[in-house]
Amino acid sequence: AQTVTQSQPEMSVQEAETVTLSCTYDTSENNYYLFWYKQPPSRQMILVIRQEAYKQQNATENRFSVNFQKAAKSFSLKISDSQLGDTAMYFCAFRGYGNKLVFGAGTILRVKS
Amino acid sequence: DTEVTQTPKHLVMGMTNKKSLKCEQHMGHRAMYWYKQKAKKPPELMFVYSYEKLSINESVPSRFSPECPNSSLLNLHLHALQPEDSALYLCASSPREGVNTDTQYFGPGTRLTVL
Repeated sequence: AQTVTQSQPEMSVQEAETVTLSCTYDTSENNYYLFWYKQPPSRQMILVIRQEAYKQQNATENRFSVNFQKAAKSFSLKISDSQLGDTAMYFCAFRGYGNKLVFGAGTILRVKS
Repeated sequence: DTEVTQTPKHLVMGMTNKKSLKCEQHMGHRAMYWYKQKAKKPPELMFVYSYEKLSINESVPSRFSPECPNSSLLNLHLHALQPEDSALYLCASSPREGVNTDTQYFGPGTRLTVL
């Protein structure tokens, strides 16, 4: 069974600075997808970024980028130029063969002014 | 448009009540999901519907009864709930089930309180 581990329960960052959220996963599959979802205090879960395992190039979406290390089974999220609106719970998620999205425990990110 | 809508936003019910949660999407997605989420925890999958048929039930108690009347609509009927069922109930949809390329899009959730 796949597992997803987020080892940082909470993190803080100053506005305009850069922060990296960690995620590791365990799987025996070779073809899978990884996601970062953001859930602000208003609670809507929003897709931030996704990465295909077969692509070596790291995904980027504006201020959000990932560092995908397939051999190490690591999938960290870097947020550049942090904004107050980035304050949220961030979930790393894995989807392999099948129907289920496996979530990590989440990291609460607080952006301070 | 990647919008999934859910009603109501908040629901308070007694343990003897019967109520329903509603989820709607107009993206043409053929897979729809119900999740339960406790505070500061990740969502837990409850049910998956694929092409309007129930394909996964994660051993959810029978007091939760899902229904998919059509490809755009998903309901969750609630009856004789317990206080521990209080949680945020999230609906999600994706283009297809079982395809790992497909991203799930979430609704804003219904905050359920059982008294």
